[in-house]
Amino acid sequence: RKEVEQDPGPFNVPEGATVAFNCTYSNSASQSFFWYRQDCRKEPKLLMSVYSSGNEDGRFTAQLNRASQYISLLIRDSKLSDSATYLCVVTQGGKLIFGQGTELSVKP
Amino acid sequence: DAMVIQNPRYQVTQFGKPVTLSCSQTLNHNVMYWYQQKSSQAPKLLFHYYDKDFNNEADTPDNFQSRRPNTSFCFLDIRSPGLGDAAMYLCATRRGPRTDTQYFGPGTRLTVL
Repeated sequence: RKEVEQDPGPFNVPEGATVAFNCTYSNSASQSFFWYRQDCRKEPKLLMSVYSSGNEDGRFTAQLNRASQYISLLIRDSKLSDSATYLCVVTQGGKLIFGQGTELSVKP
Repeated sequence: DAMVIQNPRYQVTQFGKPVTLSCSQTLNHNVMYWYQQKSSQAPKLLFHYYDKDFNNEADTPDNFQSRRPNTSFCFLDIRSPGLGDAAMYLCATRRGPRTDTQYFGPGTRLTVL
């Protein structure tokens, strides 16, 4: 079983759609949780941290459920520029453990 | 201003010919990481340095070595590249044990002919 698992994707959505990404992690000792965004042939960039209380940054909302070891990312009113691969990431002992990523393609 | 710099951005080498990738950082961070990312896969941690302490992942092949001569620089040496080593190599830094945020460099894309 992979340590961090995400929806396989790709997701193809029209502009303005709401998109939800799901992620589960296997190690209950995981300490911190993040969503990274990676554009084609570029490095991963931190999108947002994820907290149990939930957090929002503009059109992006992230949630963490420690009991079920589940992380989510919601993108509202998607834009063409949101097209990228979204990586779910957890930390264990200072190391980042990446999910395989879910590709999003937003179409006009 | 770039904070984590990787050189070169693109590297072509021949099968079996040693290659060195470099990473430098202006953040004065204690921790530096090297990741390998193959096409459509997640980044995979190869090793990391906490200051001068080297930490190798258990499944990192012996073909991969690293050097950190000072805080700012870290090198990845691939002694005998194989076709399967073609990938993006990402360097990242982190300030220390009480911080989680890692800062990634732009990566070096390695092609093995």
